Amino acid sequence: DTGVSQDPRHKITKRGQNVTFRCDPISEHNRLYWYRQTLGQGPEFLTYFQNEAQLEKSRLLSDRFSAERPKGSFSTLEIQRTEQGDSAMYLCASHSGTGARNEKLFFGSGTQLSVL
Amino acid sequence: GQQLNQSPQSMFIQEGEDVSMNCTSSSIFNTWLWYKQDPGEGPVLLIALYKAGELTSNGRLTAQFGITRKDSFLNISASIPSDVGIYFCAGHLGMTGKLIFGQGTTLQVKP
Repeated sequence: DTGVSQDPRHKITKRGQNVTFRCDPISEHNRLYWYRQTLGQGPEFLTYFQNEAQLEKSRLLSDRFSAERPKGSFSTLEIQRTEQGDSAMYLCASHSGTGARNEKLFFGSGTQLSVL
Repeated sequence: GQQLNQSPQSMFIQEGEDVSMNCTSSSIFNTWLWYKQDPGEGPVLLIALYKAGELTSNGRLTAQFGITRKDSFLNISASIPSDVGIYFCAGHLGMTGKLIFGQGTTLQVKP
């Protein structure tokens, strides 16, 4: 399978714990995006990387959130001191970013986070 | 901030019927996209529209980019049970993949 891969698919944690999610984009894609989706809503942009550089962060990304893409391949999204309001589906997406339509994002299946 | 309003919020139709849904914005977009999302999965791109007035088809799906660049429409003809899911419109303005999504239209098809 050569699509966007996310791990884990589901995560249940207690309030106050830290969690980390991983995303492996399509191999030739140099741009990687994180979105968050709550129940009954569309995805909301969180942040994006071009190669290893984090180029934009949404106001939704509080100080408890940090994202990395150390080698320009996979990315991790960490949430520290989780709160119940962090419960959501965290979606990763990628596209090639060059010579192609920048808006055609390919999404992974997401990580569903439940904070108890 | 920019917001997209989709309507209707949900639809329950009979198999074989045609479906129409739309998306409006307070802001202009350069590109409109339509995605479908199945439960527990990420959104899958259905159609992308790049020019005001453009009409594009993908099988039984047809979408249009509104002339004002502030709206878009999606039609599904002769619906089948596998059309069930949530349909999202998304607008794109800049040079990155940052999309603004609507709240979604939930489609249920009765066999």
